[in-house]
This record gives sequence, structure tokens and C-alpha cells, in this order.
Amino acid sequence: DAGVIQSPRHEVTEMGQEVTLRCKPISGHDYLFWYRQTMMRGLELLIYFNNNVPIDDSGMPEDRFSAKMPNASFSTLKIQPSEPRDSAVYFCASRGPGRNTGELFFGEGSRLTVL
Amino acid sequence: GDSVTQMEGPVTLSEEAFLTINCTYTATGYPSLFWYVQYPGEGLQLLLKATKADDKGSNKGFEATYRKETTSFHLEKGSVQVSDSAVYFCALRRDDKIIFGKGTRLHILP
Repeated sequence: DAGVIQSPRHEVTEMGQEVTLRCKPISGHDYLFWYRQTMMRGLELLIYFNNNVPIDDSGMPEDRFSAKMPNASFSTLKIQPSEPRDSAVYFCASRGPGRNTGELFFGEGSRLTVL
Repeated sequence: GDSVTQMEGPVTLSEEAFLTINCTYTATGYPSLFWYVQYPGEGLQLLLKATKADDKGSNKGFEATYRKETTSFHLEKGSVQVSDSAVYFCALRRDDKIIFGKGTRLHILP
């Protein structure tokens, strides 16, 4: 089975540009999480969805960030306008249904550099 | 709120040395606890887990015991290999969320 697929793997953009990161979760998984990883803050949870519905977006840093999940197999994280402090690795992770112990399956990440 | 604190790295050891990476947590109740590992250029993957007090999780020679008295979940391995070089994250589950520590980078020298 394919794992969590993220694109692009690397993105270099200039300040003020719009950035869209994409994620395809594992088929059958009903939870999807977006994390941001930086040296200073480690791994931060930005937002998560259950059955395509956003459940908690309290980790989204500000209004420049938005996330959608139009269907069970696709999610996007958008930054508009981007700023240099948004430079980080963004991970998408998914989890299967049921009251399991909560293992997350991560994608390989999207490394964003904002100049 | 709930949080995880783990020892700062990097940790540098010689091959076959004994490894301990400390992890303590702050949480109400008894959350499930995890260790995840991140190899260079990859996403995190689950290494081991424990769901209740005194449980021991183990995988690939790594072990960690859920200690509610000390709210700890220290990671240990008796003899590390160069291939164990990675970043290790301690984490806890609170409802639907997994909360991670900042990670500890491990370097193993041949």
C-alpha cells in the first residue's frame, strides 16, 4: 500500500507569494493532521481533520494559513502571503479509524523556503 | 496543558554503546505514550508505544517503560549501531491529538 504522499518535496518561493502544499492520506484513514517542524519549536500541530471536517485549527499560526480537505483522499495547506518565518518542513500524517492507540503515518514532508 | 520534555541533543555515542534518551511528560490521567524516529530526509515513524502504566514497549532492540510515578518514558538500547543515527521523538496521545517533544538527535560513530 502506498503511504502518505506529499507534494512538493521542496518549494522555494519569494516573500508575498502564495504557497500550496498537498497531501494524499492512506486510503481508509479517517484522520489527517498537518504538522510544522522547525529547529526552534520542534513539531507543532497546525490543524487536523476527521472525516474531512476540520476539528481543531488552534495551532494555525495566523490568518495567512488555511487548510482544506475537499474529500477523503486529498488535503491542502495554503499560505498566502508567505513570509520568511514560514520556512519549515511541513508534514502531513494520517491515522486509521477506531479507538486504536493512535499510530500516525507520516509523509516525507514538504520543505518550504521563503526568501 | 499536556506536554512532553525530552533531553536536548545532539547525543553522540560510539557503536555498541548503551543508549538512554530521557523523556518526561505532563498530563492529566494516563495518556498513551510513544517514541517515534525520524531518519534523514524522511517523515516520522512509530518506534514503540505503551498504553498504560508499567507497560514496556519494545522494537528493534529499543525499550521504554511507562512509569507513572515519575511520569517518564525513557528510551533505552543496549548496543547502538550506526544505522540508529536519527532524531527520536517522545510523544503522548491526548484524545485525538499526538503531542510531540522537540526531538533528540542521535549520532552513532563507527
